[in-house]
Amino acid sequence: QQKVQQSPESLIVPEGGMASLNCTSSDRNVDYFWWYRQHSGKSPKMLMSIFSNGEKEEGRFTVHLNKASLHTSLHIRDSQPSDSALYLCAARGNNRIFFGDGTQLVVKP
Amino acid sequence: EAAVTQSPRNKVTVTGGNVTLSCRQTNSHNYMYWYRQDTGHGLRLIHYSYGAGNLQIGDVPDGYKATRTTQEDFFLLLELASPSQTSLYFCASSGQGNYAEQFFGPGTRLTVL
Repeated sequence: QQKVQQSPESLIVPEGGMASLNCTSSDRNVDYFWWYRQHSGKSPKMLMSIFSNGEKEEGRFTVHLNKASLHTSLHIRDSQPSDSALYLCAARGNNRIFFGDGTQLVVKP
Repeated sequence: EAAVTQSPRNKVTVTGGNVTLSCRQTNSHNYMYWYRQDTGHGLRLIHYSYGAGNLQIGDVPDGYKATRTTQEDFFLLLELASPSQTSLYFCASSGQGNYAEQFFGPGTRLTVL
């Protein structure tokens, strides 16, 4: 059973647009989320992490967390072609970390 | 930034063959992980370790053994490789505790014919 579900599977946005990615955990023990970005042919790198209710902003990237629903979202404003990548959500629960299957983002010039 | 290296970067073997994938991290991290990544899937955890001599079973351990010989070195062993183990393998390390960021190596692409 997949403990971390991401949606959509793929997303196309125009350059300069807003990309919104979602992640939900089915495990009530989850208490920490990460977002990783993986460019084609490269290894994943952490983008942002969040464990408190609310939002966190770093440049063009904003992460939201609703702990009651165990839902986190990543929003990328002013999307650039260089943001095209696989975005992986990870969640910590029961002393384990689980990754979702990712959202493939394509930003079209 | 954390440095994690993997070798080999590419490996081709035949069904039933013996394969060892190596991972080394030079940042004194306690935790190390082996993942596989297949098209349509994210990262699936094979084995992980808290420190030298320690081994924990992940979510997809069948057909894999692992050994952590030192704090720096973590090995993944496929003793009777099968085509279903054709995949991209990543090693990662993180500091103390599961709240720490994971740093990934460049990956090893394994093909089992």
